[in-house]
Amino acid sequence: DVKVTQSSRYLVKRTGEKVFLECVQDMDHENMFWYRQDPGLGLRLIYFSYDVKMKEKGDIPEGYSVSREKKERFSLILESASTNQTSMYLCASFSRTNNEQFFGPGTRLTVL
Amino acid sequence: AQSVTQLDSQVPVFEEAPVELRCNYSSSVSVYLFWYVQYPNQGLQLLLKYLSGSTLVKGINGFEAEFNKSQTSFHLRKPSVHISDTAEYFCAVRKIYNQGGKLIFGQGTELSVKP
Repeated sequence: DVKVTQSSRYLVKRTGEKVFLECVQDMDHENMFWYRQDPGLGLRLIYFSYDVKMKEKGDIPEGYSVSREKKERFSLILESASTNQTSMYLCASFSRTNNEQFFGPGTRLTVL
Repeated sequence: AQSVTQLDSQVPVFEEAPVELRCNYSSSVSVYLFWYVQYPNQGLQLLLKYLSGSTLVKGINGFEAEFNKSQTSFHLRKPSVHISDTAEYFCAVRKIYNQGGKLIFGQGTELSVKP
């Protein structure tokens, strides 16, 4: 079974802090994604990566950056957290074989 | 560009009743279609997908969906729901020639099954 893990289920940070959200997949997938999920808005793509050190902006990249130093790990970085970044963050990896995205359990981030 | 509209934000239903969750999409190119389910405090799990072939697709947990190209719809159905089907359901599309797997999601439908 594909496994996508995220470093924290719940996280509370203060405004202005630098925040790292980590995501690891164990299936050697090339493509990985970061989404944020807000009520009534569904999932919106922040960034995605199609290979090590390769990244592309999604629909809402402002205030975020990413890092992909190893194939299995894709990190989302909030350089200076703000209250409007309070949200659920979901990581996913894509299987070309199954034509399917596999999701992690999510990190619920609260910025105070 | 593609877009996905889920026509109902909340659907309350009694146990053992049938349910339909509606999804319409807009795209200038051919797409693949997906339904995902999110149980409380969990990530998303694939219910079913339409890639090609029969327009009636069967998924896990007794769900099925029908692709209607002329109406650009992909409605999800279940003939008899259980309490355990209470969850949020997301419809999504992906361009066929997008090898990167990028999905466009709808806003989600909260299904609430009551005893």
